[in-house]
Amino acid sequence: EAQVTQNPRYLITVTGKKLTVTCSQNMNHEYMSWYRQDPGLGLRQIYYSMNVEVTDKGDVPEGYKVSRKEKRNFPLILESPSPNQTSLYFCASGGKGVDEQYFGPGTRLTVT
Amino acid sequence: AQSVSQHNHHVILSEAASLELGCNYSYGGTVNLFWYVQYPGQHLQLLLKYFSGDPLVKGIKGFEAEFIKSKFSFNLRKPSVQWSDTAEYFCAVGPVGGFKTIFGAGTRLFVKA
Repeated sequence: EAQVTQNPRYLITVTGKKLTVTCSQNMNHEYMSWYRQDPGLGLRQIYYSMNVEVTDKGDVPEGYKVSRKEKRNFPLILESPSPNQTSLYFCASGGKGVDEQYFGPGTRLTVT
Repeated sequence: AQSVSQHNHHVILSEAASLELGCNYSYGGTVNLFWYVQYPGQHLQLLLKYFSGDPLVKGIKGFEAEFIKSKFSFNLRKPSVQWSDTAEYFCAVGPVGGFKTIFGAGTRLFVKA
């Protein structure tokens, strides 16, 4: 089944404790992206990747890192999480031209 | 500045009522336009998209949208909503051949049975 998977689905952590949210897709897509969803703000793009080893900032990259060492994986790293990063995070992938994005189930992160 | 504006944050309708959700965008250059839907407890999924050609596009579940270039709008419509259309709807815009997609804030639709 074609899908985008994220882990973990729920995470509660404390300020400053490094964490990684994994994202994997099995559709051989070149494009992958991370978004955060906050009430009243919709989805805002954090980082995206056009292909392996090629990434770029979205609209809200501060406090996040990404890497794309393999085509199928695109982890999101929070080196020192802060409470303002409490949010619902979505990973997405798409083929060339990004005519459609396929979304993962979301990761609900709470930073206390 | 690039932006997508959705006119209504919350909409409540009775079954069989007609639906129109407004979307306006500001984005330089030629764009692709999308509507995504998020049903309760489910992933976001594509409802419909416009790339070029006929400005009236049809999507899944009886939805359609009209691209009006002069108004920078891409409004979503459905003639008769069902209870199962209860969901959050997101308008999105991205550059042709590009990668940076901008989403609107979303509209929560609740359909009363």
